[in-house]
Amino acid sequence: DAKTTQPPSMDCAEGRAANLPCNHSTISGNEYVYWYRQIHSQGPQYIIHGLKNNETNEMASLIITEDRKSSTLILPHATLRDTAVYYCIVRAGNQFYFGTGTSLTVIP
Amino acid sequence: GAVVSQHPSWVICKSGTSVKIECRSLDFQATTMFWYRQFPKQSLMLMATSNEGSKATYEQGVEKDKFLINHASLTLSTLTVTSAHPEDSSFYICSARPLSGSGTDTQYFGPGTRLTVL
Repeated sequence: DAKTTQPPSMDCAEGRAANLPCNHSTISGNEYVYWYRQIHSQGPQYIIHGLKNNETNEMASLIITEDRKSSTLILPHATLRDTAVYYCIVRAGNQFYFGTGTSLTVIP
Repeated sequence: GAVVSQHPSWVICKSGTSVKIECRSLDFQATTMFWYRQFPKQSLMLMATSNEGSKATYEQGVEKDKFLINHASLTLSTLTVTSAHPEDSSFYICSARPLSGSGTDTQYFGPGTRLTVL
């Protein structure tokens, strides 16, 4: 079962930062947080993952709170192509269990 | 890198027939592949975990005799939906976890296969 909760939807103005929150209050010490996104009728695309330190790559930044009970995915300059459903996943062993995700709409 | 393909991308079949979906890791080897199902406006549901050379592990509620999984090589896994019925119509997505390299903790997903059973 999914161990994360996310707001069902968010809007963001094009060119602004999109901050997507995720709660994972029951996360264990050795469980990673992963973020994927899914554009309509496509397979999920990997974005970023982390354990306890903040992470940054060419797509996004991941901020994990010190107690690891929540995290935020940051898209620094949202574009229209970032409109998608964003999934926050806590990896349980070998498997990923997807929650309901956040539908992000980037508005021109 | 880390590209996963699926074939076919869409298929329409008659009720009672069987359909095979292929999942290939194109530029890496994968000991573990996963199969998911996604109904309209819903999230992905894990169906089974497949390890090369061994039997798949199915999630609770997934019928192993209906959804046959074969993982015969490090780059190919197949899902066969046997005696398909309209309620099996769904978007089937596979993912693969690299055997080596920097992405061994990550799953890379295929583009999905849209199955419609008439």
